[in-house]
Amino acid sequence: GAGVSQSPRYKVAKRGQDVALRCDPISGHVSLFWYQQALGQGPEFLTYFQNEAQLDKSGLPSDRFFAERPEGSVSTLKIQRTQQEDSAVYLCASSLGAGGLNEQFFGPGTRLTVL
Amino acid sequence: EDQVTQSPEALRLQEGESSSLNCSYTVSGLRGLFWYRQDPGKGPEFLFTLYSAGEEKEKERLKATLTKKESFLHITAPKPEDSATYLCAVQARSGGSNYKLTFGKGTLLTVNP
Repeated sequence: GAGVSQSPRYKVAKRGQDVALRCDPISGHVSLFWYQQALGQGPEFLTYFQNEAQLDKSGLPSDRFFAERPEGSVSTLKIQRTQQEDSAVYLCASSLGAGGLNEQFFGPGTRLTVL
Repeated sequence: EDQVTQSPEALRLQEGESSSLNCSYTVSGLRGLFWYRQDPGKGPEFLFTLYSAGEEKEKERLKATLTKKESFLHITAPKPEDSATYLCAVQARSGGSNYKLTFGKGTLLTVNP
């Protein structure tokens, strides 16, 4: 079956622009995660959804970052007024059950470059 | 705060030369330790989950082991296609956020033919 897909794969934004990153999880997966991966670093947790409920947004760097999963499947990560420090790869992961009991499967990521 | 330290940062091997990667961790009660492989330009690919000290798991040329303080990823007779960054992550049992993964920085493995 299909894995986690993300779009766009690459995004270049001018400083101050808003961007929206999309994640299509594996069908039927309850849990959805967003991570941020800077160059040469491991992924860092941003936010967690269980179905449509955002249960944890403690990793979002600032109030410019907003995530939603309105129907419990596709999720969008939005960054307003992008800054150069937002440049990174944004990874989406999904897992079958609730509460992280199962393995998290990652998408290919969206590489965001802010000029 | 949960912490994961991986060593070495980079490792270069000749094809067939076995070695081990280390993952040291501190966590407030381990729920699981995860190994992922990441190829350039791709997302992490799940390899193993280990839950308790003494547990071992194998997959082809890879074997993961776990103690109370660290995990090792042993690579036996590696091939060039094993070249990748190997990431270790922990999941804590306690607290309200026992679903999030805390990752190390990874070990970049290069296997030369």
